[in-house]
Amino acid sequence: EAGVTQFPSHSVIEKGQTVTLRCDPISGHDNLYWYRRVMGKEIKFLLHFVKESKQDESGMPNNRFLAERTGGTYSTLKVQPAELEDSGVYFCASSDRDRGGYTFGSGTRLTVV
Amino acid sequence: AQSVTQLDSQVPVFEEAPVELRCNYSSSVSVYLFWYVQYPNQGLQLLLKYLSGSTLVKGINGFEAEFNKSQTSFHLRKPSVHISDTAEYFCAVIQRTGNQFYFGTGTSLTVIP
Repeated sequence: EAGVTQFPSHSVIEKGQTVTLRCDPISGHDNLYWYRRVMGKEIKFLLHFVKESKQDESGMPNNRFLAERTGGTYSTLKVQPAELEDSGVYFCASSDRDRGGYTFGSGTRLTVV
Repeated sequence: AQSVTQLDSQVPVFEEAPVELRCNYSSSVSVYLFWYVQYPNQGLQLLLKYLSGSTLVKGINGFEAEFNKSQTSFHLRKPSVHISDTAEYFCAVIQRTGNQFYFGTGTSLTVIP
């Protein structure tokens, strides 16, 4: 089966611009998660979707970040306007009900200059 | 809340030598434990996981880890490393009733020929 797909793999944008990251989960996985790793630090939870509903968005850093999952399939994470501290690697993961079945994508490396 | 500590940020080791990557966690509730590996320019790949049962867990590529509840540890070991094991390794926990992973800061393993 296809894994979790994220694109773009890399993005370099200027401070103040907008960037949209996309995640395609494994087909049939209701749960979709976004995580972020800022350089040298731990990977941190951003939010969790169950189908199209936000189950937990406690990790979203501020209102410049907007996540959507229309139709309960793919998800987008928009950063608007981007700031320097938003640079990092953004990971998406999906799972079915079994937490052991959590699968991560290859990540999007975002660089804000 | 949970926290995960990976005591060693960088571990150099000679090829065919044994290696241990340490992981300690703090949690007031029961958790599942995981080790993920990230090879250069790739995503997070599951190495192994502890959900229940035997405290010694075997994973892919010859890795194993032992869950020690009294010491709240989940150290990763391999008896003989290869060049191809050079990567970053992440320990992670998730509450049995939770929805998000808590990751350590990662250990960069470098295997020296």
